[in-house]
Amino acid sequence: QKEVEQNSGPLSVPEGAIASLNCTYSDRGSQSFFWYRQYSGKSPELIMFIYSNGDKEDGRFTAQLNKASQYVSLLIRDSQPSDSATYLCAPLGQNFVFGPGTRLSVLP
Amino acid sequence: GAVVSQHPSWVICKSGTSVKIECRSLDFQATTMFWYRQFPKQSLMLMATSNEGSKATYEQGVEKDKFLINHASLTLSTLTVTSAHPEDSSFYICSASSGGVSNEQFFGPGTRLTVL
Repeated sequence: QKEVEQNSGPLSVPEGAIASLNCTYSDRGSQSFFWYRQYSGKSPELIMFIYSNGDKEDGRFTAQLNKASQYVSLLIRDSQPSDSATYLCAPLGQNFVFGPGTRLSVLP
Repeated sequence: GAVVSQHPSWVICKSGTSVKIECRSLDFQATTMFWYRQFPKQSLMLMATSNEGSKATYEQGVEKDKFLINHASLTLSTLTVTSAHPEDSSFYICSASSGGVSNEQFFGPGTRLTVL
């Protein structure tokens, strides 16, 4: 089993819809979970992080964490074409591990 | 947020030459810096982790004699690609972490290396 798994996509959603990005991880020792956004040809930028079970909201973004299920997700409300990018999930356990990323395409 | 810079942003070199890439944390002290490589349409690949003042820890399959990493201060790490070849052409990205509660990594803008 890979350490971090994400659906590679592309995930296509219409503008204004909710985009749901999912991530599963294998290291039960992971304490913090980060979501990064990477535009094509650019380096990743931090969107948000979460370390407690439940939901964490920041603007249009909501991160959801379920440590028992080893699952973390990112919801993007009112998706915009500018949200089109690759989203990387990164659990932090003993080491920092990036998932392969999910490519999101928001269609105008 | 914290700012990390890289220099140069783009470099073209001849096969067999060496290239040095600098990574600087501009407004915080980075206890740990990471070097990644990313080929087109592929995910980030961690090459090595370096802590200030100590030797870098390389990931499996990464040649430490080819990719020399120096982390001499809390704000500067360098990656030198020695005897570069066309297959080393890639996007090299550094990130820095100050540790602390959240321990997030802040990424530099990346360096695009093309070896002719």
